[in-house]
Amino acid sequence: EPEVTQTPSHQVTQMGQEVILRCVPISNHLYFYWYRQILGQKVEFLVSFYNNEISEKSEIFDDQFSVERPDGSNFTLKIRSTKLEDSAMYFCASRTQTRRNEQFFGPGTRLTVL
Amino acid sequence: EDQVTQSPEALRLQEGESSSLNCSYTVSGLRGLFWYRQDPGKGPEFLFTLYSAGEEKEKERLKATLTKKESFLHITAPKPEDSATYLCAVQGILTGGGNKLTFGTGTQLKVEL
Repeated sequence: EPEVTQTPSHQVTQMGQEVILRCVPISNHLYFYWYRQILGQKVEFLVSFYNNEISEKSEIFDDQFSVERPDGSNFTLKIRSTKLEDSAMYFCASRTQTRRNEQFFGPGTRLTVL
Repeated sequence: EDQVTQSPEALRLQEGESSSLNCSYTVSGLRGLFWYRQDPGKGPEFLFTLYSAGEEKEKERLKATLTKKESFLHITAPKPEDSATYLCAVQGILTGGGNKLTFGTGTQLKVEL
């Protein structure tokens, strides 16, 4: 069964450093998402991406964040200058172009900012 | 702004003891209500989508129902492997072009032998 994959599973970085989180969505999916979950809190929407454009973003997704689909399979989230409060699980999700709207999530990347 | 409230926060059941989890929501217009299962340190695993009041979906020991204000996830004769956090999420008609999901905080279910 096709799955969303994410790398790395755990990333440790120093405050102020840039990080890139990588995702491979399910192959026939056209809509891509990033969510995050701070420890003990709810899953929060960051950004959605379709047709090589951001279609929606949250207040969390400020100028320090960017997304890219550099080729036909990868979808990346970049944080330019990490802060302590960026420590969280980051989940990638994808869905097909149907009315079903079901999003399928990857296993997540745990980002720890020291 | 779409909102989702789940109760209880935590639930402990004996194996075979049926129960229900609640998800109350407010949304501009419901496009879909979603149930996910999340194991510790893992990503949400899709369970069900419900689109309109009165709709029901079943999968093994789980049954999800939907009204205009809330959804229930009924667990019949649970087993220890059903232990997980169950997340409810909504997608509103006015969420914007991206069809984002708004999640609740989840119900942490533990099923004991």
